[in-house]
Formats: sequence, C-alpha cells, structure tokens
Amino acid sequence: DVKVTQSSRYLVKRTGEKVFLECVQDMDHENMFWYRQDPGLGLRLIYFSYDVKMKEKGDIPEGYSVSREKKERFSLILESASTNQTSMYLCASSFLGPESYYEQYFGPGTRLTVT
Amino acid sequence: AQSVTQLDSQVPVFEEAPVELRCNYSSSVSVYLFWYVQYPNQGLQLLLKYLSGSTLVKGINGFEAEFNKSQTSFHLRKPSVHISDTAEYFCAVRRSNDYKLSFGAGTTVTVRA
Repeated sequence: DVKVTQSSRYLVKRTGEKVFLECVQDMDHENMFWYRQDPGLGLRLIYFSYDVKMKEKGDIPEGYSVSREKKERFSLILESASTNQTSMYLCASSFLGPESYYEQYFGPGTRLTVT
Repeated sequence: AQSVTQLDSQVPVFEEAPVELRCNYSSSVSVYLFWYVQYPNQGLQLLLKYLSGSTLVKGINGFEAEFNKSQTSFHLRKPSVHISDTAEYFCAVRRSNDYKLSFGAGTTVTVRA
C-alpha cells in the first residue's frame, strides 16, 4: 500500500513564527502536492513538485514556500505564520506516468492553528 | 480554466436509503474525473475514477458514478447507505494534459439510523 505520512497531526504556532510541515511518501512517486482544506472551499492547491528541486505554484502560493531536496520528501514552509493560515494541510503524491497512475494518494493531514 | 461544482453542501440521509451526490464541471479540454471520500479525522481516499471507456464506473464500498459528457456531470450514487458512509465527499477533475486536480467544495453526507 502507498503510504503518505505527515510529520504532525496537530500543530499550534504563534503569529510570526516560521513553520515547517513535512511530508514523506514511500512509493517513489515523482509528483508531490500541498493543499489546504477549508470548510466550504474544498481543497486548494498551494504548490506542487514534479521532480527533486522542481516546484510550481498552485492556486494559492502567497505566504508559502516549498522545498524538495529528496524524492520522497516535500516540505511546506510558512515563512511568517499568520492567523489566516489556520487550516488543514494535506499532502499528496502521484506517479508521473501512464494516465491510470495519476491518482493522488493523500496523507492524514496536519491541522495547523496560528494564534 | 476549469471549475468543479458540487451542488449540495450537506446531504442528510437515512440508513438503507439511496443517495446521489451531484458534481458538474467546466473544461475546454477532455478531463479525467475522480470521487474521493474523507472520513472524520482522516485524509482523502479514492472512491472511484473515470479515465475512459464505459461511462458507468464502479468503486469501493458499493459506490458508482456516471460520466455524462453532454451535461458535463459526474454524479455519485449508492443504492443503500450505511452509518459508516457518514463522511465528506469530494469530486475532482484533471485535465488530460495536466497532472493537477481541481476539487469541488465537498458534500457532507450524514447517515442517520
């Protein structure tokens, strides 16, 4: 089974802190994604990466950055956390290959609260 | 650009009754379609997907969905729900030339005895 793990299930940080959210997948997937999930808005893509050291902005990249130094690990960074970044953050991964493999596999999520 | 609309934000249903969750999308290119389920305090899990071929697709846990190209819809159905189907359901669309997914806002299904 594909496994996507996220470093924390719950996180509480203060405004202005630098926050790191870590995601690791064990299926040698090329693509990795970071989403935020808010009630009534569904999932919105923050950033994605299709290879080591490669990244592309998603729909809502402002206030976030990412790092992918190894294929299995994709980090989301909040440079200076703000209260409007309180949300559920979901990581996902997928193959870059035949279309049937474009299914994305999700981690359990990190619920971040910024006070 | 593409958008995904889930027409119902909340669907209450009694146990053993049928349920239908509606999803419409807009896209200028061909698409691939997915339904995901999120049980409380968990990540998303794939229910089913449409890539090509038969427009009626069957997924896990007795769910099925029908792709209607002319109506740009991909509605999810289950003939008889269980308490354990209480969850949030997301419709997602991927353009054929992209690997990003666009998600709908979600539909919360609450099954009552």
